[in-house]
Amino acid sequence: KQEVTQIPAALSVPEGENLVLNCSFTDSAIYNLQWFRQDPGKGLTSLLLIQSSQREQTSGRLNASLDKSSGRSTLYIAASQPGDSATYLCAVNDDYKLSFGAGTTVTVRA
Amino acid sequence: DAGVIQSPRHEVTEMGQEVTLRCKPISGHDYLFWYRQTMMRGLELLIYFNNNVPIDDSGMPEDRFSAKMPNASFSTLKIQPSEPRDSAVYFCASSPTWDRGGEETQYFGPGTRLLVL
Repeated sequence: KQEVTQIPAALSVPEGENLVLNCSFTDSAIYNLQWFRQDPGKGLTSLLLIQSSQREQTSGRLNASLDKSSGRSTLYIAASQPGDSATYLCAVNDDYKLSFGAGTTVTVRA
Repeated sequence: DAGVIQSPRHEVTEMGQEVTLRCKPISGHDYLFWYRQTMMRGLELLIYFNNNVPIDDSGMPEDRFSAKMPNASFSTLKIQPSEPRDSAVYFCASSPTWDRGGEETQYFGPGTRLLVL
């Protein structure tokens, strides 16, 4: 059974600092990996999707890397802003299902 | 498009009562997913449908839970009878396509927060 772990569980940084969020998974036979954002009282919003054959994806200030062989992905958020405060979840797609990590709750202090 | 719509947004009920959660997927999306999120277990897939047909219900916790999709624009998740341990946030998500190596993501609704007393 796929196990997805996210470290740290919570992170607090001053505005302008770069964020580094980590995700690890136990079974490297994945098809793709996604990073989602969840705001309080709201659903999840997909940020980036990385195919298993890719090494990274970028969207604006966000960059996600994938090392499938070692079972790791990292989400980088450059020059953080208070609006980046949210919970970030990674999810791996293996066999038609998404397995989610517990998330990292980020607070960006103004 | 209004996105995935879920109702009610909050539900408080007493143990033993029947609970029905509703979902309207994004128009044109062929796949619909029901998830449950708790602090202890995180986000778990309960069941998903393709073209109104249940494909995988292996995540449904027990017979007290049932899900239906009578047409392409409506799905229900029913708990009967409800128990305090069913308290969670239930999310519905939809996707136009869904395959192992696809580029597509899932679009989530705002969730229904259920509290069973």
